Amino acid sequence: NAGVMQNPRHLVRRRGQEARLRCSPMKGHSHVYWYRQLPEEGLKFMVYLQKENIIDESGMPKERFSAEFPKEGPSILRIQQVVRGDSAAYFCASSPLGQEETQYFGPGTRLLVL
Amino acid sequence: SQQGEEDPQALSIQEGENATMNCSYKTSINNLQWYRQNSGRGLVHLILIRSNEREKHSGRLRVTLDTSKKSSSLLITASRAADTASYFCATDPYNNNDMRFGAGTRLTVKP
Repeated sequence: NAGVMQNPRHLVRRRGQEARLRCSPMKGHSHVYWYRQLPEEGLKFMVYLQKENIIDESGMPKERFSAEFPKEGPSILRIQQVVRGDSAAYFCASSPLGQEETQYFGPGTRLLVL
Repeated sequence: SQQGEEDPQALSIQEGENATMNCSYKTSINNLQWYRQNSGRGLVHLILIRSNEREKHSGRLRVTLDTSKKSSSLLITASRAADTASYFCATDPYNNNDMRFGAGTRLTVKP
């Protein structure tokens, strides 16, 4: 059973471009969480999704950021019109239905905005 | 992958008591972080301690780090029922960028 996969592992964008980060949860997991980590800081919760449903997006910036977890395919974190301050590591985690207290983390995507 | 190992796996105490959770890790680190997770919610960052620090306080939380033993402890003083949650440690390894999480300690504080 493969672990949580994220791609790309590294992403470079120029200011104003769009960044799309993908997260494939572990097989059988129906919940996905996205976190952002700035250098030398802890993870900050962004959004919690079930398939086709956003459960909690209290940590998402109100503008330019969106997340989805479609019925088929990976979860996508989309950042439009990136700015330098978006440079960070973005981690996703997945958990199985009924065991939301157990999160399995992916390796992260490191976004660099030039 | 999960590197940090917390112990105990589960801890049950009475309100007002102190709770101590430990975390061990294997590689050299830049920093170590503690997180809390309430059931069904995302992780909440509690405290970060750098590899050159030995102790850090935040409110009722006290974290220690012993890099020679590759271990850390989280102490919650005067616990409250609202402290009931799972607590995770995570390490930021020195020679790569992969954060490593432990399996967590499930703390139950009885009123």
